Amino acid sequence: DAKTTQPPSMDCAEGRAANLPCNHSTISGNEYVYWYRQIHSQGPQYIIHGLKNNETNEMASLIITEDRKSSTLILPHATLRDTAVYYCIGGSGAGSYQLTFGKGTKLSVIP
Amino acid sequence: GAVVSQHPSRVICKSGTSVKIECRSLDFQATTMFWYRQFPKKSLMLMATSNEGSKATYEQGVEKDKFLINHASLTLSTLTVTSAHPEDSSFYICSARGAARDTQYFGPGTRLTVL
Repeated sequence: DAKTTQPPSMDCAEGRAANLPCNHSTISGNEYVYWYRQIHSQGPQYIIHGLKNNETNEMASLIITEDRKSSTLILPHATLRDTAVYYCIGGSGAGSYQLTFGKGTKLSVIP
Repeated sequence: GAVVSQHPSRVICKSGTSVKIECRSLDFQATTMFWYRQFPKKSLMLMATSNEGSKATYEQGVEKDKFLINHASLTLSTLTVTSAHPEDSSFYICSARGAARDTQYFGPGTRLTVL
């Protein structure tokens, strides 16, 4: 799995967009970029994933750079319930599909 | 869709006893299930990967005789912590992936406390 680098923490004002960056310069051609989040004492929640193209769903948008070395998760209108640790993971789209969790970014949404 | 449940959510046991944790995929068939462990303020660590009907593959440093994994059906995997000790106290989380999906979905986790 590709090694990913994320800032350890970020703050975001409630109602504003939260932009969470991730560097994955060693990602290989068949590895997806996955984003999960974990609210305290719960299992991780799937947010979104992508391979090359930008993706959007009801939770978030994922912007992947053309060289695929970095990506940004965008929560368009952050709420207090979005406070969590966000994990960016490079994972294979084939084979064992294992995910290797790093330390993630602790996002604090502030009223 | 893509709901994964775990039971129990919390368990306290005495040292030396065995504890079984169930992981179920409720609305899809899980060809592969994963078991993770998470210590306080740490990230998730993969313990093992199991495919339905075959033996689990354990990560380096995880004792297969201590953490017994069974994936007997496409909707159920169990993790049994045998002869539990206080150092086995942790948050155990399972995840599941269906054959047609390239995404893992996680259960809510089981908090194990060994006294």
